[in-house]
Amino acid sequence: GAGVSQSPSNKVTEKGKDVELRCDPISGHTALYWYRQSLGQGLEFLIYFQGNSAPDKSGLPSDRFSAERTGGSVSTLTIQRTQQEDSAVYLCASSSGLAEGYNEQFFGPGTRLTVL
Amino acid sequence: AQSVAQPEDQVNVAEGNPLTVKCTYSVSGNPYLFWYVQYPNRGLQFLLKYITGDNLVKGSYGFEAEFNKSQTSFHLKKPSALVSDSALYFCAVRALNTGGFKTIFGAGTRLFVKA
Repeated sequence: GAGVSQSPSNKVTEKGKDVELRCDPISGHTALYWYRQSLGQGLEFLIYFQGNSAPDKSGLPSDRFSAERTGGSVSTLTIQRTQQEDSAVYLCASSSGLAEGYNEQFFGPGTRLTVL
Repeated sequence: AQSVAQPEDQVNVAEGNPLTVKCTYSVSGNPYLFWYVQYPNRGLQFLLKYITGDNLVKGSYGFEAEFNKSQTSFHLKKPSALVSDSALYFCAVRALNTGGFKTIFGAGTRLFVKA
């Protein structure tokens, strides 16, 4: 499909384990965002990638969280030593980098992470 | 710092009546404002945006929003609500001159439309 895809759709893990969440943005979109949505809550910004610029990591909640974007396309969000409070839906979005600032974001379906 | 406030956690409307979902913002420069909708068990979808120009912007599914600079508001409206409009609505803001790249989302407002 032409939309943003994320995998896995659901992930159940044990406390203390590491997890990797994957995002495939829309082809040609240079901007990529990660958000976290806790049950019934709003979106919490995590990290933003734009082309070859240094990512904006200001939203990462702790040093257990990291993300990379390889080749300007696919992105992986890694959570090390997961805690129960990390349980949430992790959303990825992408947007066209052209005329950055006022392009809407296209969201993936999310990965629901449950830490037991 | 930029911020977005959606003062109502929930809005209840009868089908056929007009609806308003409120949003106010705080930015240090000219804002770019967005509305997104999240239907049950579906991802977020873009509804509409204000960048510049006419203060009244029209978007998908018959929704519109009015940018009011003096009141720093960007309320979402629809003249006649449908049961299918029931969803979670998010307002978002971005300002170019903050030096940052992130878009700030409000906490969301859940809209219930009763038949």
